[in-house]
Amino acid sequence: TQLLEQSPQFLSIQEGENLTVYCNSSSVFSSLQWYRQEPGEGPVLLVTVVTGGEVKKLKRLTFQFGDARKDSSLHITAAQPGDTGLYLCAGVNRNAGNMLTFGGGTRLMVKP
Amino acid sequence: EADIYQTPRYLVIGTGKKITLECSQTMGHDKMYWYQQDPGMELHLIHYSYGVNSTEKGDLSSESTVSRIRTEHFPLTLESARPSHTSQYLCASSDREAFFGQGTRLTVV
Repeated sequence: TQLLEQSPQFLSIQEGENLTVYCNSSSVFSSLQWYRQEPGEGPVLLVTVVTGGEVKKLKRLTFQFGDARKDSSLHITAAQPGDTGLYLCAGVNRNAGNMLTFGGGTRLMVKP
Repeated sequence: EADIYQTPRYLVIGTGKKITLECSQTMGHDKMYWYQQDPGMELHLIHYSYGVNSTEKGDLSSESTVSRIRTEHFPLTLESARPSHTSQYLCASSDREAFFGQGTRLTVV
């Protein structure tokens, strides 16, 4: 059972466009992470959000944690080809021994 | 910088062979994970561990087995490799955040 649902699954956009990726769950998470994975490599941590309503910015990336700590979003402004990759959200579930649960991922392609 | 290592990085092996994929971390994390992933697709959890002497099966059924005799080491073994096992295998460890190895790309011919 997928506890974390990511949408969209696939996204292909032109360089310079904005986009938002969503991560939704019916479960409450004590923290939520976003990762980015390039082909042939392991996922790399981008950010951790902990507090409901928290917003974090990383250059052109803006991450938001929902007030109820059940959902999160990643917004990219003026996407560049270097942003291409698989974006994964993951939540820490206290009811599962603080194990990490990953969403299915959003595969982003930014065309020049 | 993450201190988690997987070996080998690439492996091509014949059907029926026994293989062990190695994973080691130096961060002292109790929780460790093995994922199977096809290119560009989602991560499928196949095994995880809460700590030493703890191993659990993940969401995706797998013919592989794991062991956790030491905190830092979480090897995965396939007793008899088959072409259907061809995939990328990713190891991770976590405290609050997960850190991943670079993966092992396994091809069974």
